[in-house]
Amino acid sequence: EAGVAQSPRYKIIEKRQSVAFWCNPISGHATLYWYQQILGQGPKLLIQFQNNGVVDDSQLPKDRFSAERLKGVDSTLKIQPAKLEDSAVYLCASSLGGRALDTQYFGPGTRLTVL
Amino acid sequence: KQEVTQIPAALSVPEGENLVLNCSFTDSAIYNLQWFRQDPGKGLTSLLLIQSSQREQTSGRLNASLDKSSGRSTLYIAASQPGDSATYLCAVEYGNKLVFGAGTILRVKS
Repeated sequence: EAGVAQSPRYKIIEKRQSVAFWCNPISGHATLYWYQQILGQGPKLLIQFQNNGVVDDSQLPKDRFSAERLKGVDSTLKIQPAKLEDSAVYLCASSLGGRALDTQYFGPGTRLTVL
Repeated sequence: KQEVTQIPAALSVPEGENLVLNCSFTDSAIYNLQWFRQDPGKGLTSLLLIQSSQREQTSGRLNASLDKSSGRSTLYIAASQPGDSATYLCAVEYGNKLVFGAGTILRVKS
């Protein structure tokens, strides 16, 4: 079974620029998550999709971050404009359902450096 | 506020030693608790999941315990090996949301 795919793996941009990350979840997984992991911290949930609907985006900085999941499969996360404090690893995860006990499978992440 | 704390932040042990990683959480109304492993440049891998009604789970050399009333969990690693070197993350599930600790960086020296 193929895992969660993310691209790019690394990205370096200057502050105020825009950037987009892509995630392809495991086939058949209805739920998709985006996490932000700042160096030295645990992952923090940014947004959760159930199929192509948003379940939880309470911790997404909506003034600069946006995410979409068209057709309930792939997802993109965009930052516009980026700030220095956005430097982090952005992890995508997917699960079969969205209930407790549904295992989340994580992708390798995209490491973003904002200069 | 739902917070998860892990102690110690880093640990270095010689190969073969048994070790314990600690996790504490502030809100005891949990659905389950998971321990993850994170290797550099890679995603997270789920090691053990303990349901809120359970007290422990075992997988090979790993044993995780859960005490909801005191808000604590421990991950016990027996006979540690250099391949166990990684960051270990504790995550508590509230509803559909995972709240992570900052992790313990483990180094097992050969």
